[in-house]
Amino acid sequence: GAVVSQHPSRVICKSGTSVKIECRSLDFQATTMFWYRQFPKQSLMLMATSNEGSKATYEQGVEKDKFLINHASLTLSTLTVTSAHPEDSSFYICSGGSVGYGYTFGSGTRLTVV
Amino acid sequence: AQSVTQLGSHVSVSEGALVLLRCNYSSSVPPYLFWYVQYPNQGLQLLLKYTTGATLVKGINGFEAEFKKSETSFHLTKPSAHMSDAAEYFCAVRDKNAGNMLTFGGGTRLMVKP
Repeated sequence: GAVVSQHPSRVICKSGTSVKIECRSLDFQATTMFWYRQFPKQSLMLMATSNEGSKATYEQGVEKDKFLINHASLTLSTLTVTSAHPEDSSFYICSGGSVGYGYTFGSGTRLTVV
Repeated sequence: AQSVTQLGSHVSVSEGALVLLRCNYSSSVPPYLFWYVQYPNQGLQLLLKYTTGATLVKGINGFEAEFKKSETSFHLTKPSAHMSDAAEYFCAVRDKNAGNMLTFGGGTRLMVKP
């Protein structure tokens, strides 16, 4: 079946640094990539939607300059958390696919900012 | 706008007992409905989904769910709980008219007692 490979699975970074999270679709093309965030004991919240070759569409309240999304190819999308702060510590998960094909979640990235 | 409500943030059952996790949704169009399971520190795994056709959907690990349009519900059941079923379960709705993004319920943590 379709697999979305997400890396890293865990990352600890210092406050003020940037962290890049990658999601790669294996054996299929992900026209669209959704990026979600999950705070402890809460549900998943959609952060942004990106379509290959286009600028991402961010949900209300999500800072586009802080959470940089790049979807330059049909098999790779990245989320960069810039100038990370402790309140950015969360579980980030991507979901990639296309209309008619369906969507598959990555395995998630647990970010801890210290 | 769509919304998903999962009644009960925590459900506790004894091993061997029936599992019932409730999900109600609101949607202006016939939705696609999903149940996902999330084990600690892991990504989401699709349990089952309803798109069209038979309203009783069977998924992995012995779970099933029934789409009831009149009740706008998609409750998840399993006849006999196993210890390994302890996890967080999320109900989600996909809006075909909103770029196929998923809207998640708040999640239900299932605890299984020996």
